[in-house]
Amino acid sequence: AQTVTQSQPEMSVQEAETVTLSCTYDTSENNYYLFWYKQPPSRQMILVIRQEAYKQQNATENRFSVNFQKAAKSFSLKISDSQLGDTAMYFCAFMTDTGTASKLTFGTGTRLQVTL
Amino acid sequence: GAVVSQHPSRVICKSGTSVKIECRSLDFQATTMFWYRQFPKQSLMLMATSNEGSKATYEQGVEKDKFLINHASLTLSTLTVTSAHPEDSSFYICSASRQQQFFGPGTRLTVL
Repeated sequence: AQTVTQSQPEMSVQEAETVTLSCTYDTSENNYYLFWYKQPPSRQMILVIRQEAYKQQNATENRFSVNFQKAAKSFSLKISDSQLGDTAMYFCAFMTDTGTASKLTFGTGTRLQVTL
Repeated sequence: GAVVSQHPSRVICKSGTSVKIECRSLDFQATTMFWYRQFPKQSLMLMATSNEGSKATYEQGVEKDKFLINHASLTLSTLTVTSAHPEDSSFYICSASRQQQFFGPGTRLTVL
């Protein structure tokens, strides 16, 4: 079974600064996908970024980027130029493949507070 | 594209009654949908995988007779909480799968 660990329950960052959220996972699979989801106070789950394990290049989406270390089973999220709207819960998630029946395994989440 | 809706967004019911929550994929067909439960300040816990035209697959520890799932069409899955009790109060989230999971906005259930 896969496990996802987020060791930082809460983080705080000042507006315009950079913050990195940690995530590690455990799996015996070789092909899989990793995700970071954002859950703002509205509780709508929003996909932030996605990484395919077979790709060596780290995924980037505007101010969001990941540091994917496959051998270390680490998948951290870097948020640059933090904005107040980035305040949310962030969940790291793992999926074995993109078949329609593939389940997501979520970490426990990191609550990020962006301050003035 | 890839919009998923849930109805109702909030529901309050009396103990012992049943409540139905709908999950719809508005602009795509989904043979598979998922139902999650989320307690305050906690992560999403997968309850079951809903498969169009067949029985749902429940996660260990989830009572299938209490949480009835029906996936009658490629755009609609329903979760019925039968004989609801206060401990069933929670936030229920569905997702529809199309290469990745797209989430609905969630339903807050309060059982009095």
